[in-house]
Amino acid sequence: AQKVTQAQTEISVVEKEDVTLDCVYETRDTTYYLFWYKQPPSGELVFLIRRNSFDEQNEISGRYSWNFQKSTSSFNFTITASQVVDSAVYFCALSPLFSGGYNKLIFGAGTRLAVHP
Amino acid sequence: NAGVTQTPKFRVLKTGQSMTLLCAQDMNHEYMYWYRQDPGMGLRLIHYSVGEGTTAKGEVPDGYNVSRLKKQNFLLGLESAAPSQTSVYFCASRTDSNEQFFGPGTRLTVL
Repeated sequence: AQKVTQAQTEISVVEKEDVTLDCVYETRDTTYYLFWYKQPPSGELVFLIRRNSFDEQNEISGRYSWNFQKSTSSFNFTITASQVVDSAVYFCALSPLFSGGYNKLIFGAGTRLAVHP
Repeated sequence: NAGVTQTPKFRVLKTGQSMTLLCAQDMNHEYMYWYRQDPGMGLRLIHYSVGEGTTAKGEVPDGYNVSRLKKQNFLLGLESAAPSQTSVYFCASRTDSNEQFFGPGTRLTVL
């Protein structure tokens, strides 16, 4: 089965708190990509990161960081010192390279993050 | 370079009416996709295309048809709209290295 699970439906934090969004995936492919997208209230999908299955290095981009662990099939996303502008729905997605051969994205259900002043 | 554009942005239909959603990309991508997003769910793949003149079914294709007559355009048709097709529709295209670009979405309501 190919599946992405985002167990946290909603998270509410106060500004400047750190917050981690969990993502667990299932795939039988050994080669795949993982993505995170942000969907702000305006509705568009904003690309945040793409990581391939051979690169387990953690990545940091400003206040954002990602922890990829193949051993636990997880690709978690941490926002440090959250801001109100971070309020959005965040989606984790899996793109297996060989199953189906068309690189579709398999999305999790999303985590709604509310950052309060 | 406009990226991926979608027309229209909003539409209200009555049950049984038909309509076509247009997706256009100016990045010369071969692969294009149509997804739908329903409340509390991630996006689900409706149909996709691996190049001009080709289309294939995704996870939830029933009630939809697609065409890719030109490389830059991917059309999604609803022949007889049903309330269950009320959703937000996203088009996407991708590069050979699997960078996926999404359009702004079309919000469709079927009464």
